[in-house]
Amino acid sequence: DAGVIQSPRHEVTEMGQEVTLRCKPISGHNSLFWYRQTMMRGLELLIYFNNNVPIDDSGMPEDRFSAKMPNASFSTLKIQPSEPRDSAVYFCASSLGQLDQPQHFGDGTRLSIL
Amino acid sequence: EDQVTQSPEALRLQEGESSSLNCSYTVSGLRGLFWYRQDPGKGPEFLFTLYSAGEEKEKERLKATLTKKESFLHITAPKPEDSATYLCAVQTGANNLFFGTGTRLTVIP
Repeated sequence: DAGVIQSPRHEVTEMGQEVTLRCKPISGHNSLFWYRQTMMRGLELLIYFNNNVPIDDSGMPEDRFSAKMPNASFSTLKIQPSEPRDSAVYFCASSLGQLDQPQHFGDGTRLSIL
Repeated sequence: EDQVTQSPEALRLQEGESSSLNCSYTVSGLRGLFWYRQDPGKGPEFLFTLYSAGEEKEKERLKATLTKKESFLHITAPKPEDSATYLCAVQTGANNLFFGTGTRLTVIP
């Protein structure tokens, strides 16, 4: 079975540019989660969707961050404009259920903002 | 303030040397506690869910336990392939999810 697929795996861009991260969840899963992982703060939940609807975006750090889920098989996380402090590994995960169920993670996008 | 703390930050064990990792939490109501394993360059991989104090789960050399204040991940006779970062996550009564910063385990042959 295909797991959660994220693209790109690595992204290097200059400050001020728009960055779009993509995620394809596991087929049949009804919840999708976006996380950010840094050495200092660990893994932080940014936003999650249930049945394509955003449920909780309280973890989104600033208005520069936005996420969409136009259908059950695709989601994007966008940063515009990007800043060096946004450099981190961004993970997408999906699950059958919401926060109370085990999540299946992709292998992440390593983002570097110069 | 909700908080999840893991200790130690790093642990080195000889192959076969059993030990325990700790995840302590102060949250407003516990709805569930999760353990994940993360290998370098990979996303976390689910291991266990615990829902109530006294509950225990086992899988191969790993056993997870839960009390009202903390959870332990016991590793019995570890092998080098058990080397990874182990993360715990807590779902709170307010329906938030917080991860600890992990314990980096190295098992030396």
